[in-house]
Amino acid sequence: DAGVIQSPRHEVTEMGQEVTLRCKPISGHDYLFWYRQTMMRGLELLIYFNNNVPIDDSGMPEDRFSAKMPNASFSTLKIQPSEPRDSAVYFCASSRGERRTDTQYFGPGTRLTVL
Amino acid sequence: AQRVTQPEKLLSVFKGAPVELKCNYSYSGSPELFWYVQYSRQRLQLLLRHISRESIKGFTADLNKGETSFHLKKPFAQEEDSAMYYCALQGGSEKLVFGKGTKLTVNP
Repeated sequence: DAGVIQSPRHEVTEMGQEVTLRCKPISGHDYLFWYRQTMMRGLELLIYFNNNVPIDDSGMPEDRFSAKMPNASFSTLKIQPSEPRDSAVYFCASSRGERRTDTQYFGPGTRLTVL
Repeated sequence: AQRVTQPEKLLSVFKGAPVELKCNYSYSGSPELFWYVQYSRQRLQLLLRHISRESIKGFTADLNKGETSFHLKKPFAQEEDSAMYYCALQGGSEKLVFGKGTKLTVNP
């Protein structure tokens, strides 16, 4: 298994543009998490899904951010319009969910730069 | 509210020296605590969890509910231990709350 797959690995865009980040979780994992990492705030949970259903989106910073999980093998995080303060590394993680303490497996991250 | 504090952004030790990475938490219930590690150019991965009471790569961590701490310790640091270390707390759901991380450098 290749683990959690994220694309693109790097994204540079201009302020105001739409950005879409993609994630493929590990097959068989029921939970999918989106995190954002910045120097100032560290690693923050944005939203997580269970069986493709959003469970907690309280970490989504504002309406410019949206996330979907149309099926068990794909999720997107969209920022529209993007702003320079959105520059960060965005991680996707997945877990089996059989127990609450199941390990979360992280993807390599997408480094987003908004100019 | 759930909060994790890692007071040291940077920690530098010499090879063979003991190392302790501090983690304090705030949570009103009974938490699950974890340490995650990110080696250079690798993914963030689980190092250990308190519920397993295990030692991984020589590291141990004891949950001290009285002091609300979960410090990570290793008696003899190795150069390959150099990495970013994140303490994380899980409360009443699947959410993980991470500290801001400590960058450990083990010098030869």
